[in-house]
Amino acid sequence: EAGVTQFPSHSVIEKGQTVTLRCDPISGHDNLYWYRRVMGKEIKFLLHFVKESKQDESGMPNNRFLAERTGGTYSTLKVQPAELEDSGVYFCASSQAGYTGELFFGEGSRLTVL
Amino acid sequence: GESVGLHLPTLSVQEGDNSIINCAYSNSASDYFIWYKQESGKGPQFIIDIRSNMDKRQGQRVTVLLNKTVKHLSLQIAATQPGDSAVYFCAEKDVGSARQLTFGSGTQLTVLP
Repeated sequence: EAGVTQFPSHSVIEKGQTVTLRCDPISGHDNLYWYRRVMGKEIKFLLHFVKESKQDESGMPNNRFLAERTGGTYSTLKVQPAELEDSGVYFCASSQAGYTGELFFGEGSRLTVL
Repeated sequence: GESVGLHLPTLSVQEGDNSIINCAYSNSASDYFIWYKQESGKGPQFIIDIRSNMDKRQGQRVTVLLNKTVKHLSLQIAATQPGDSAVYFCAEKDVGSARQLTFGSGTQLTVLP
């Protein structure tokens, strides 16, 4: 069974540009999460989808970040326009419906904003 | 505010020795705790979890201890191996609330030959 996959693995962009990160959760997982780790700091929650609905987006830093999960399958996280402080590793995780335990993480998308 | 923190950012141990990684949490309502291991270039991987109705849980070469009185969590790795070198994160959650899994800042474990 395929795990959580993320694309791209690494993106380098200039300040002001746009980047879109993609996450494909484990098939059948209704819960999809985005987290971010800024260099040397903790992994911080961004938002949580249940199927196509945003269950909790309290962690989204500002309106430059837009997450979507059309059809309840894969999700995208767009940063527009990117700022220097957006650099970090963006992790996607998924879990089964109603499951409050282990999250299965992807390998992350490293974003570098110059 | 609520936080989950680690006592030490780095830990170096000799191969074959036991490792102990500590974590403090501040949310007394948290009732579910997980340790994750993150190797370079990979995403966090589940190691072991524990619920608040337990104070100890053992896995293969790993043991998690929970002290709810002082809100402290530890991960013990027996006979540490080079493949154990990674960043270890503790995470906590209040299962009954809408709050998401909250992570600490991580401890870098380095296993010395």
